[in-house]
Amino acid sequence: GQSLEQPSEVTAVEGAIVQINCTYQTSGFYGLSWYQQHDGGAPTFLSYNGLDGLEETGRFSSFLSRSDSYGYLLLQELQMKDSASYFCAATGTASKLTFGTGTRLQVTL
Amino acid sequence: DAGVIQSPRHEVTEMGQEVTLRCKPISGHNSLFWYRQTMMRGLELLIYFNNNVPIDDSGMPEDRFSAKMPNASFSTLKIQPSEPRDSAVYFCASRQVSSGNTIYFGEGSWLTVV
Repeated sequence: GQSLEQPSEVTAVEGAIVQINCTYQTSGFYGLSWYQQHDGGAPTFLSYNGLDGLEETGRFSSFLSRSDSYGYLLLQELQMKDSASYFCAATGTASKLTFGTGTRLQVTL
Repeated sequence: DAGVIQSPRHEVTEMGQEVTLRCKPISGHNSLFWYRQTMMRGLELLIYFNNNVPIDDSGMPEDRFSAKMPNASFSTLKIQPSEPRDSAVYFCASRQVSSGNTIYFGEGSWLTVV
């Protein structure tokens, strides 16, 4: 099976940088994705790491270390609109996608 | 593109009633996922299909839950009989496997069983 752990909540100030960690245990692993979900909305895709290292997409970056079964999402120049829940998700055997426990990010002034 | 379309958006039903949730995936996508989201359990994968074939239904809570995908453009998730603990948001999502790892979610079906 697969399990992914994330901190439950993170608070940061507008304009700051925040890192959301994800550790995983999987029986088959092909890559790690990140999704954002605003209250009342659906999860939307942010980024994917199939290989070790850093992937950058605008203000968001994501990192993967397969040897450590660990990844993180880095959000820079935080804006109020970034207040949302963030989920890591592991792609496993037969393209199965399992989500982590989710991290609620609160951006304050 | 219309995106993943789910219906109904909201449903309130009485315990013991049958509930049917519907999903139309994005045209051309060949994987379809059903997830359930609650505060306590987060986003749980219930079942997923590749090319209309169920691949893994280990997340289906019990025999009261069933899912079908009769063709590439339609899937249903049925709960019979429903119970209050089934109250949750049910998301359908789809993906074109050959195009990468992004899955696209519908807006969800908000189910309340009283």
